[in-house]
Amino acid sequence: EDQVTQSPEALRLQEGESSSLNCSYTVSGLRGLFWYRQDPGKGPEFLFTLYSAGEEKEKERLKATLTKKESFLHITAPKPEDSATYLCAVQRFHTQGGSEKLVFGKGTKLTVNP
Amino acid sequence: NAGVMQNPRHLVRRRGQEARLRCSPMKGHSHVYWYRQLPEEGLKFMVYLQKENIIDESGMPKERFSAEFPKEGPSILRIQQVVRGDSAAYFCASSPGTGRPQHFGDGTRLSIL
Repeated sequence: EDQVTQSPEALRLQEGESSSLNCSYTVSGLRGLFWYRQDPGKGPEFLFTLYSAGEEKEKERLKATLTKKESFLHITAPKPEDSATYLCAVQRFHTQGGSEKLVFGKGTKLTVNP
Repeated sequence: NAGVMQNPRHLVRRRGQEARLRCSPMKGHSHVYWYRQLPEEGLKFMVYLQKENIIDESGMPKERFSAEFPKEGPSILRIQQVVRGDSAAYFCASSPGTGRPQHFGDGTRLSIL
């Protein structure tokens, strides 16, 4: 069974204090690993897709990396507006017509204090 | 901004009533997915549909739950004879094709009295 574990569950940072969020996964044949951001009362907002080990993607203060067992979301010099819950999800390879479902972790709740 | 549209945003039902949740995918997206988020839990997959077809319903309870995505109109998630345990946030996502990122709506918060 596919599994995604995110750590830490919650993280408090001071503005400008860089850190990383971890996503460990177990999946039989990874098609893609997805990072989302979710604000309270809202749906997940797509950030990145990573497809193969060694791949990196960047967007503003965020950088996502992927190995064969885990992914990291690095946050450089965060600002209060980066406060949100960050979700990681995996999608498995299937034969044509198979499921496209995402398996999510429980998320990391990030708070950035001014 | 033609994102994924879900309605209603909030729905209150009494035990035993029916709940109908609607989802209009992003323009050009033919794949629709429904997920449920319980308090303190992660998003859980329920069902994956393409126009007029259910592709994967492995995450949907066998009893009381059904989903459709007709040729015309929004996708509907229907819950019959609701119980307290059905209280949750239900999210719809859409994508343009296989392996492409799924984009989510802001969900329907279902409360059962």
